[in-house]
Amino acid sequence: SSELTQDPAVSVALGQTVRITCQGDSLRSYYASWYQQKPGQAPLLVFYGKDKRPSGIPDRFSGSSSGNTASLTITGAQAEDEADYYCNSRHISGNHHYVFGTGTKVTVI
Amino acid sequence: QVTLRESGPALVKPTQTLTLTCTFSGFSLSTSGMCVSWIRQPPGKALEWLALIDWDDDKYYNTSLKTRLTISKDTSKNQVVLTMTNLDPVDTATYYCARMTYGSGSFDPWGQGTLVTVSS
Repeated sequence: SSELTQDPAVSVALGQTVRITCQGDSLRSYYASWYQQKPGQAPLLVFYGKDKRPSGIPDRFSGSSSGNTASLTITGAQAEDEADYYCNSRHISGNHHYVFGTGTKVTVI
Repeated sequence: QVTLRESGPALVKPTQTLTLTCTFSGFSLSTSGMCVSWIRQPPGKALEWLALIDWDDDKYYNTSLKTRLTISKDTSKNQVVLTMTNLDPVDTATYYCARMTYGSGSFDPWGQGTLVTVSS
């Protein structure tokens, strides 16, 4: 079972802002990474660490963290942002064990 | 350009052993800081981390699956192999390999994935 909890689904109007949250004790110690997954595709890293965005990822994707909660914000959501989003972090036990969140389906309406 | 590609059987019978190979290019697993992980995703469900091997040949496993998993590397072939024993229908999933750079905490990039169905 996952030790990172996400809301199952959120919706956002085209051009508006949506925040996806991820909760878990490991987030008090480790930063979250965020992945976008479209149907039939492999996950794609969109944000990681305190403030890192991989090359090629639009700057409308940003991340933040407070206490046991990490957030991914999409500012000005586009139709192509409709996807499943997963967080992950190092397991609270550390030592190169990892855990993924339960996933959030983002619908752009 | 870093790429990874998974290969292995599409169909496995219950109780059998699954062997998956991740063939990668664009980096070397003998370079300090490089790691490769296996992650799976049952149809319609969330991602699950399985195992990781690092440049120093240290190996780490999902605690709940540890007794069934073995990860290994062949640096000369740029390959990482995952074996999973005693397969069950609940192991039906798409299996991905992905690179991790030590300290980043993130998996990037990922292979395309390979769907493994466990059925008699």
